[in-house]
Amino acid sequence: AQSVAQPEDQVNVAEGNPLTVKCTYSVSGNPYLFWYVQYPNRGLQFLLKYITGDNLVKGSYGFEAEFNKSQTSFHLKKPSALVSDSALYFCAVSPTGANNLFFGTGTRLTVIP
Amino acid sequence: NAGVTQTPKFQVLKTGQSMTLQCAQDMNHNSMYWYRQDPGMGLRLIYYSASEGTTDKGEVPNGYNVSRLNKREFSLRLESAAPSQTSVYFCASSEERGSYEQYFGPGTRLTVT
Repeated sequence: AQSVAQPEDQVNVAEGNPLTVKCTYSVSGNPYLFWYVQYPNRGLQFLLKYITGDNLVKGSYGFEAEFNKSQTSFHLKKPSALVSDSALYFCAVSPTGANNLFFGTGTRLTVIP
Repeated sequence: NAGVTQTPKFQVLKTGQSMTLQCAQDMNHNSMYWYRQDPGMGLRLIYYSASEGTTDKGEVPNGYNVSRLNKREFSLRLESAAPSQTSVYFCASSEERGSYEQYFGPGTRLTVT
């Protein structure tokens, strides 16, 4: 069965510090991997994706993610957090040939001024 | 471009009532999706439409029906609402399925009493 795990419900980080939001997955084959962000009372917004190639993927708003095949992980990172980064972050996986995304349960990021 | 629009934004139903959630996209996307978001559970796929004229069940289709009216519009119908269907519903679209990112609407908050 496909599954996506975001082991931390909540991550707190001080403004200016680096941040990491963790994601691991259990999916057969070579899946496509995504990160989305959700601000209060809004729909999800696409941040970045990994399809193939370089394991470090750069996305919107200075975010990047590192794909690690051996650890089946796709952690979201940013070198210097902003207060405006505070939001709910979702990791999602699309198995090869599948029609839909499987989402993690989300991690709430709070950046403290 | 409006992107993905959903109506209504909020709705309260009594158990047994029916309603249709409307979704439209103006990005000429082939694939459209309906998700529900529940606390602590991430997003779960209800139905999707890979292309105009086709629809398929997702993870949690029971109690719902869909119609892909044309390429732009994808509606979700609750025939006999139940309290377990209290949730936030999101419509999304993508150019194609699989490796393409999805674009989400603002959501419909539904309460069934």
